[in-house]
Amino acid sequence: GQQLNQSPQSMFIQEGEDVSMNCTSSSIFNTWLWYKQDPGEGPVLLIALYKAGELTSNGRLTAQFGITRKDSFLNISASIPSDVGIYFCAGRYIGNEKLTFGTGTRLTIIP
Amino acid sequence: GAGVSQSPRYKVAKRGQDVALRCDPISGHVSLFWYQQALGQGPEFLTYFQNEAQLDKSGLPSDRFFAERPEGSVSTLKIQRTQQEDSAVYLCASNGPGDTEAFFGQGTRLTVV
Repeated sequence: GQQLNQSPQSMFIQEGEDVSMNCTSSSIFNTWLWYKQDPGEGPVLLIALYKAGELTSNGRLTAQFGITRKDSFLNISASIPSDVGIYFCAGRYIGNEKLTFGTGTRLTIIP
Repeated sequence: GAGVSQSPRYKVAKRGQDVALRCDPISGHVSLFWYQQALGQGPEFLTYFQNEAQLDKSGLPSDRFFAERPEGSVSTLKIQRTQQEDSAVYLCASNGPGDTEAFFGQGTRLTVV
């Protein structure tokens, strides 16, 4: 099935560094979501975006809905150990309930 | 319970065996989704219910996959004659009238040997 292009695939950073990841699609979405998934757990919603150009923050996390509706990015500032995990973007078409997920970005913090 | 509950958490099936995976959504949640997550991949949509009505089953990969939600609460995903490529984590999610987005359960990890 279709998966969105997410980059980078993995990141190795030091605690305190800022992180940026993005997601692109060949199709237009009306909703962009960002999730975090820990091992053995289901995805947990971090940020939801509903309007093109929208910039939304949740603590140290900031995400933007691209103006073309075909992309989104997520930034994490001043990373901490609990940020470790896999981050997924997901998009949803108008009038459709299902989500199309990205391929994921694995974040690792180097001691 | 407070969240979406899935059982079993782990299932090992021999190739050709039938399996049934259960999802208990958050009480009162109308919408229920099933996703399949292969190792190293993002979740992929399987099917969607609103109450007991299965409104979208476009993601079910073959006719060996069947989902039901007869009373509009608990849902079961059944896989007949399991094959190795069915090995994955099966995630259930639900949301209710006051929620903009669905909450996911912990998933059932299915391993077909």
